[in-house]
Amino acid sequence: AQSVTQLDSQVPVFEEAPVELRCNYSSSVSVYLFWYVQYPNQGLQLLLKYLSGSTLVKGINGFEAEFNKSQTSFHLRKPSVHISDTAEYFCAVSLTDSWGKLQFGAGTQVVVTP
Amino acid sequence: EPEVTQTPSHQVTQMGQEVILRCVPISNHLYFYWYRQILGQKVEFLVSFYNNEISEKSEIFDDQFSVERPDGSNFTLKIRSTKLEDSAMYFCASSWGLKDEQYFGPGTRLTVT
Repeated sequence: AQSVTQLDSQVPVFEEAPVELRCNYSSSVSVYLFWYVQYPNQGLQLLLKYLSGSTLVKGINGFEAEFNKSQTSFHLRKPSVHISDTAEYFCAVSLTDSWGKLQFGAGTQVVVTP
Repeated sequence: EPEVTQTPSHQVTQMGQEVILRCVPISNHLYFYWYRQILGQKVEFLVSFYNNEISEKSEIFDDQFSVERPDGSNFTLKIRSTKLEDSAMYFCASSWGLKDEQYFGPGTRLTVT
């Protein structure tokens, strides 16, 4: 069975500071990896995804993530956050033979303060 | 920009009642999904739907649940006899292809009393 663990439930960060959100997964088969963001009262929006190829993936809004197969991690980073980045961030995986079924982590609430 | 819409935004129902949650996926998408998030828990996959058939379903999606695409635009989730534990936020999503990005709706908050 596969699982997704987001190690931090809440991350407070000051505006213009960097942020890293941690995600680890476990799976006996190959996976695809995703980060989604949820702004208040909105649906989930895809930030970026890793399917194959380069392990460093760049997404929208200045976010990037690095796939590390040996550590089974897919951490999300942004070098300088804005107030508007306050949101909940979800890491998700899908198995390469069950693409449509996303399995989500518990989420990390990012709170950016001036 | 096209988006997935869901109605109602909040539904309150009594235990044992039937509810239908409605979704309008993005018009040219072919794959449709339902997820749910119980308060304080993870977002969980319920079901995927393609070509008027269920492609995959989770253990949660038992006989009390059904999905339907009654016309060319709507995608519905029916819960026949609601239980207290069905209280959750239900998200609809759609994608063009199975390997394409899933676009999520804003969710329907279902409260079973």
